[in-house]
Amino acid sequence: AQSVTQLDSQVPVFEEAPVELRCNYSSSVSVYLFWYVQYPNQGLQLLLKYLSGSTLVKGINGFEAEFNKSQTSFHLRKPSVHISDTAEYFCAVSGGGSYRPTFGRGTSLIVHP
Amino acid sequence: DAGVTQSPTHLIKTRGQQVTLRCSPKSGHDTVSWYQQALGQGPQFIFQYYEEEERQRGNFPDRFSGHQFPNYSSELNVNALLLGDSALYLCASSLGQGVDTQYFGPGTRLTVL
Repeated sequence: AQSVTQLDSQVPVFEEAPVELRCNYSSSVSVYLFWYVQYPNQGLQLLLKYLSGSTLVKGINGFEAEFNKSQTSFHLRKPSVHISDTAEYFCAVSGGGSYRPTFGRGTSLIVHP
Repeated sequence: DAGVTQSPTHLIKTRGQQVTLRCSPKSGHDTVSWYQQALGQGPQFIFQYYEEEERQRGNFPDRFSGHQFPNYSSELNVNALLLGDSALYLCASSLGQGVDTQYFGPGTRLTVL
């Protein structure tokens, strides 16, 4: 079985400040890891994904994430956030050839001016 | 190039009724997955259709069924609606069964009264 824990339900931050959204996972097999963003009343958009190779993954909109196998983490970071980054962010894991991804409960990023 | 489209955008039903939601995949994609996203939660995998057959299924009762047509579009049917079925239903398409290439639609908001 696989699971995802997003440690913060809400992260408030000021514009142009750095931000980290935390994600921990559990899986008995090798995993694929994903971060998605969801703006109000919209579907999910893929920010970045880790499949294999380099543990530092760069995505769209200036986001990056680092896969840490020993700590079973895949935290999302951005060095300087913008008001437009205000949204819900979901971490997801898919493992061992299974096509059934498991999503976390989401972290609401709120960027204040 | 149209992305994933879903219809209708909103739907209101009463308990015990049946509902059909529709999804057209992104051009070139042959696989459709359906997710249920309850308010304040992450998406939960319902099932995946590939080559007109259900290939993977999450922990959802048989009241949830689907279909994929030769043009790769898909329907999600829910019978005997319960209040707890109220949610945003997301469709995602991909090329092949891997979730690493998924694109999500905007979703259908179902309200059960």
